[in-house]
Amino acid sequence: GQQLNQSPQSMFIQEGEDVSMNCTSSSIFNTWLWYKQDPGEGPVLLIALYKAGELTSNGRLTAQFGITRKDSFLNISASIPSDVGIYFCAGGVQGAQKLVFGQGTRLTINP
Amino acid sequence: NAGVTQTPKFQVLKTGQSMTLQCAQDMNHNSMYWYRQDPGMGLRLIYYSASEGTTDKGEVPNGYNVSRLNKREFSLRLESAAPSQTSVYFCASSGPGQALHSNQPQHFGDGTRLSIL
Repeated sequence: GQQLNQSPQSMFIQEGEDVSMNCTSSSIFNTWLWYKQDPGEGPVLLIALYKAGELTSNGRLTAQFGITRKDSFLNISASIPSDVGIYFCAGGVQGAQKLVFGQGTRLTINP
Repeated sequence: NAGVTQTPKFQVLKTGQSMTLQCAQDMNHNSMYWYRQDPGMGLRLIYYSASEGTTDKGEVPNGYNVSRLNKREFSLRLESAAPSQTSVYFCASSGPGQALHSNQPQHFGDGTRLSIL
């Protein structure tokens, strides 16, 4: 089946630093989604990407839909303590009615 | 704005007991999903329902059954719980797009934390 490789698995950074994470796949996706999960809660959608090459921002977050449609990137600028959590990428294929999720990137911020 | 509501939030079962996890959404979404989340394994799809009246197996369906009771509600049943089913279970919904437009983002509930002794 389709799989997403999300990296890094964990990150330990200082407050104020920029963060980059990515997801790659051997398969083509028509949709890329990025979610954040806080402890004890369900994942919350951050950014949705629907077109190859698309670059979309949501505040300090920026995500890109790779031109090959096999990857996506999420960047967080000037990290703050509330950015702590697990970030998931998810890919969708038109007609499949399902999403494939990456294994997550756990972000820890040292004050 | 309730979104996706899951009940219960926590449950402890003994091996062999049965239980139904409830999920309801108020967003008029066509599609609903059940996932389990285990440490280091991300979200794995158990079952999904593309529309009212249909259900399909996901990646890890063994040991589970589902019922799409109506458009709003999608329940997950463990007939004979096993310790390997200890996990956090998430329900999600997406839509209201047509079935072929499958790329609508999924919206998640806050999860049910299930422990099986």
